[in-house]
Amino acid sequence: EAQVTQNPRYLITVTGKKLTVTCSQNMNHEYMSWYRQDPGLGLRQIYYSMNVEVTDKGDVPEGYKVSRKEKRNFPLILESPSPNQTSLYFCASRTGTGGGELFFGEGSRLTVL
Amino acid sequence: ILNVEQSPQSLHVQEGDSTNFTCSFPSSNFYALHWYRWETAKSPEALFVMTLNGDEKKKGRISATLNTKEGYSYLYIKGSQPEDSATYLCAFRSVGGNQGGKLIFGQGTELSVKP
Repeated sequence: EAQVTQNPRYLITVTGKKLTVTCSQNMNHEYMSWYRQDPGLGLRQIYYSMNVEVTDKGDVPEGYKVSRKEKRNFPLILESPSPNQTSLYFCASRTGTGGGELFFGEGSRLTVL
Repeated sequence: ILNVEQSPQSLHVQEGDSTNFTCSFPSSNFYALHWYRWETAKSPEALFVMTLNGDEKKKGRISATLNTKEGYSYLYIKGSQPEDSATYLCAFRSVGGNQGGKLIFGQGTELSVKP
């Protein structure tokens, strides 16, 4: 089954404790992206990757890092989480060419105390 | 700054009602307009990807139209059912740029259908 898998789905952590949210897709997609969803705002892009070892900032990259060492994985790293990073996070992927649809993971709800 | 606006923000209808929502986007440098359906606790799922002015797409009771010259798209649901309750997101992609074909999302329209 084609899917995008995120882990963890729910996490409560404390300020400053490094954490990683993993994202894996099994569709051989070149493009992967991270978004955050906050009340009253649309999905905002954090980082994206066009292919292995090719990553770039989205609209709200501050406080986040990513890596793309393998095509299927695109982890989101919060080196020193702060309360303003409390949010619902989505990973998504699509083929690299054309205007194709995004395939989303089920979301990771993160709370930073 | 590219802006994508959706209206209304929320909508409450009775089962059987037909309804529609609007997505407004920039009318220049258009590449594609996406519609997604997002049920609570699930992943957003694509409904339509529209690329041509005048496009009309249909999936069951849900259809969408596109006007790129004036910068709007309508999503219609005919005979709403409780299982249609979800947040409907539209997203705009412009031509060119160096951001890998970034989608800019609207805030969504939250639909609630009462039995």
